[in-house]
Amino acid sequence: LAKTTQPISMDSYEGQEVNITCSHNNIATNDYITWYQQFPSQGPRFIIQGYKTKVTNEVASLFIPADRKSSTLSLPRVSLSDTAVYYCLVGTSSNTGKLIFGQGTTLQVKP
Amino acid sequence: ETGVTQTPRHLVMGMTNKKSLKCEQHLGHNAMYWYKQSAKKPLELMFVYSLEERVENNSVPSRFSPECPNSSHLFLHLHTLQPEDSALYLCASSQEELAGNNEQFFGPGTRLTVL
Repeated sequence: LAKTTQPISMDSYEGQEVNITCSHNNIATNDYITWYQQFPSQGPRFIIQGYKTKVTNEVASLFIPADRKSSTLSLPRVSLSDTAVYYCLVGTSSNTGKLIFGQGTTLQVKP
Repeated sequence: ETGVTQTPRHLVMGMTNKKSLKCEQHLGHNAMYWYKQSAKKPLELMFVYSLEERVENNSVPSRFSPECPNSSHLFLHLHTLQPEDSALYLCASSQEELAGNNEQFFGPGTRLTVL
């Protein structure tokens, strides 16, 4: 399993762009990188997933360098409602029951 | 709304009680999961069901007993729990069995308190 390492916490202000980087040095060839968001007392919610280069959707962008040993979740112009825990997960389509949630990054957006 | 519902949302039980948590998914998914999230800890995968068959049991104590009568419903039966079992119990579903490129849809969770 590819272990992931993220900062425990980050602070930002409304309107700023936030970049959260995740390290996954042991990522395997078939592994995808997925990010989830979790608000207090709620289940996690899928944000974005990628395999290489850049992926963008209406919520965020995911940047993955060529060696895939890290990835960066980019949240443009955050608001107070983006305050949450963000999880980086690495898993493979051929693996069963092996997606592991780490500690995540607690993002605090301030006014 | 994620298409995954859980009941009850809150549950308080004594150590000698027997209770059940219910999860229902309206997404036509084939796989369902139970997770436990204790305070200040990461989510822990407990059980995985694929097409109503249990495919993963992550060394969960026998006081937790899952049941999957069909692909839309998942239960977690609880008996003789301990106070340290107090946590948020989350149900999730995905199109296929847990896989790296499959999005998981989570329910709102059941906040369990064991007295």
